[in-house]
Amino acid sequence: DAEITQSPRHKITETGRQVTLACHQTWNHNNMFWYRQDLGHGLRLIHYSYGVHDTNKGEVSDGYSVSRSNTEDLPLTLESAASSQTSVYFCASSKLAGGPKTNNEQFFGPGTRLTVL
Amino acid sequence: GQQLNQSPQSMFIQEGEDVSMNCTSSSIFNTWLWYKQDPGEGPVLLIALYKAGELTSNGRLTAQFGITRKDSFLNISASIPSDVGIYFCAGQVNNAGNMLTFGGGTRLMVKP
Repeated sequence: DAEITQSPRHKITETGRQVTLACHQTWNHNNMFWYRQDLGHGLRLIHYSYGVHDTNKGEVSDGYSVSRSNTEDLPLTLESAASSQTSVYFCASSKLAGGPKTNNEQFFGPGTRLTVL
Repeated sequence: GQQLNQSPQSMFIQEGEDVSMNCTSSSIFNTWLWYKQDPGEGPVLLIALYKAGELTSNGRLTAQFGITRKDSFLNISASIPSDVGIYFCAGQVNNAGNMLTFGGGTRLMVKP
């Protein structure tokens, strides 16, 4: 079955380290998104991509970067981890922009819990 | 930016009771989505609404796309313990690509 996976599921790191969170989807979806989820803030968009080599900043992009070298993967990198980046991170994908409205439905991965000490 | 106000923030109900929650916005949306998140998991899509006034059911769940396009409602009938989780609404406008605006979530607790 097609799916979206994230790894690792849990990560503990130290302030200042570079961290990369993986997201992989097998639906052949064009669009991929990264969110962080914190108490009191709900889901906030970090970065998103509409296709290979396309990346865009979301609401809370400072300190994060993404790259899209193929359709299946959108890794999220924290260049220099900070304690404020302790959070649960979710990756999501959707078919493509435009066309039938069902293309807009986003499907989420299981999340990565990141702790920055 | 756009804001979605979701209420209530939390509910503690008895098994068998019906549940209602809603989302309101100051902006118009063209699509409303409702998700459920179980502890330690990602949100799972429950119901999608595409037309103002639309009423859609998925088992014991019923959601409505408000006629003004600024609100949406989710009802759960005859709640059971596995309904426990956080329910999120999300709205989308046509000119925003596939981006969603999320409500803050309603945490549902069900007492057996």
